[in-house]
Amino acid sequence: NAGVTQTPKFQVLKTGQSMTLQCAQDMNHEYMSWYRQDPGMGLRLIHYSVGAGITDQGEVPNGYNVSRSTTEDFPLRLLSAAPSQTSVYFCASSLGEGTGELFFGEGSRLTVL
Amino acid sequence: DQQVKQNSPSLSVQEGRISILNCDYTNSMFDYFLWYKKYPAEGPTFLISISSIKDKNEDGRFTVFLNKSAKHLSLHIVPSQPGDSAVYFCAASGIGGNNRLAFGKGNQVVVIP
Repeated sequence: NAGVTQTPKFQVLKTGQSMTLQCAQDMNHEYMSWYRQDPGMGLRLIHYSVGAGITDQGEVPNGYNVSRSTTEDFPLRLLSAAPSQTSVYFCASSLGEGTGELFFGEGSRLTVL
Repeated sequence: DQQVKQNSPSLSVQEGRISILNCDYTNSMFDYFLWYKKYPAEGPTFLISISSIKDKNEDGRFTVFLNKSAKHLSLHIVPSQPGDSAVYFCAASGIGGNNRLAFGKGNQVVVIP
């Protein structure tokens, strides 16, 4: 009963480094998305995917790349990390075009020095 | 420009009493409104939702009220229990897809035994 699994849970990067946050779900959900949570800001949508091979930008996409080669996986790539990307990142999934009920992973806390 | 607003960032309530959380939104095109609950070091979990065509939805101890004319919704928790101590996020969906959620900043609720 894994649900949505995110790795790593914690990561420290230096400015300019690149890395990938992994997200996998075992519920056969078509829809997957990435949010970031910053203090006093709530959660903001970075990128989302409505199915394998289809991705689109959310509210704050700059500095991030995504791809969706399989239904299960939706990795988030930071191309050149900046201190402004210090945040907690959440991956979420949903079965389809529902009402907004998303299943979230436990989060990945990223610090960029 | 935040489309979903939660004021009064924290709330303390005695066990057994009612907790009331408020949320305002600016865009009348939202189709669904949701509440998510979040414990520290965990991802948000879906709590309850309401369609824009309804004014009340109840699920056990949780009731959500929607006032479309005022662009306002509230979450009532009765009776409050210590396990309800968490951050509660108000969210809205329906613009650009029902899974694209706009979140408020969250309310910290502390239930005092």
